[in-house]
Amino acid sequence: GAVVSQHPSWVICKSGTSVKIECRSLDFQATTMFWYRQFPKQSLMLMATSNEGSKATYEQGVEKDKFLINHASLTLSTLTVTSAHPEDSSFYICSAYPPRDGGKTQYFGPGTRLLVL
Amino acid sequence: GESVGLHLPTLSVQEGDNSIINCAYSNSASDYFIWYKQESGKGPQFIIDIRSNMDKRQGQRVTVLLNKTVKHLSLQIAATQPGDSAVYFCAKSPNTGFQKLVFGTGTRLLVSP
Repeated sequence: GAVVSQHPSWVICKSGTSVKIECRSLDFQATTMFWYRQFPKQSLMLMATSNEGSKATYEQGVEKDKFLINHASLTLSTLTVTSAHPEDSSFYICSAYPPRDGGKTQYFGPGTRLLVL
Repeated sequence: GESVGLHLPTLSVQEGDNSIINCAYSNSASDYFIWYKQESGKGPQFIIDIRSNMDKRQGQRVTVLLNKTVKHLSLQIAATQPGDSAVYFCAKSPNTGFQKLVFGTGTRLLVSP
């Protein structure tokens, strides 16, 4: 299967600090990864598309300077929440397409729960 | 614009019953529909998919039906088990690969013993 991992699985930080979340494709290479956030009892909201070797594409309303994305290799994308505030507390999930089926099915990581105090 | 929506936010069933989760979509340009299962505190897990040139696809205990005439998608779970309790999302993908998904709002399935 296609395995996507995230680290850490949960993180608690103080307001004003920055937090980095890693997303890795373990058994395939991914030129494109996606970052979502999810609030309780809500659907997934796409934040940005992470592109290996180039700038990420952000969805409307998502602050690119607030949520820094770096896709430095074909198996790793990172999301950094800068100057985190309590309203940034959420469940962050990444996903990627294994190339084997022509990029039809996204596989998701286990998610990272962020709590900003 | 494109949207994918679900008819019911919560579905409660008894263990052993068959479950049917529905999804409506408003744009037929997509070529690919996917059902995901999300358990509490976890990322979505792929269940089954269907291409727009198909009407039905079966997996293990699950069947997806696609009615393009009324733009309706459903997921049927046979002999529902407590482990099936989760939120189920439908999603659609554009014709080309590696594109972003459009998600529905989700249906919470509650299975009681």
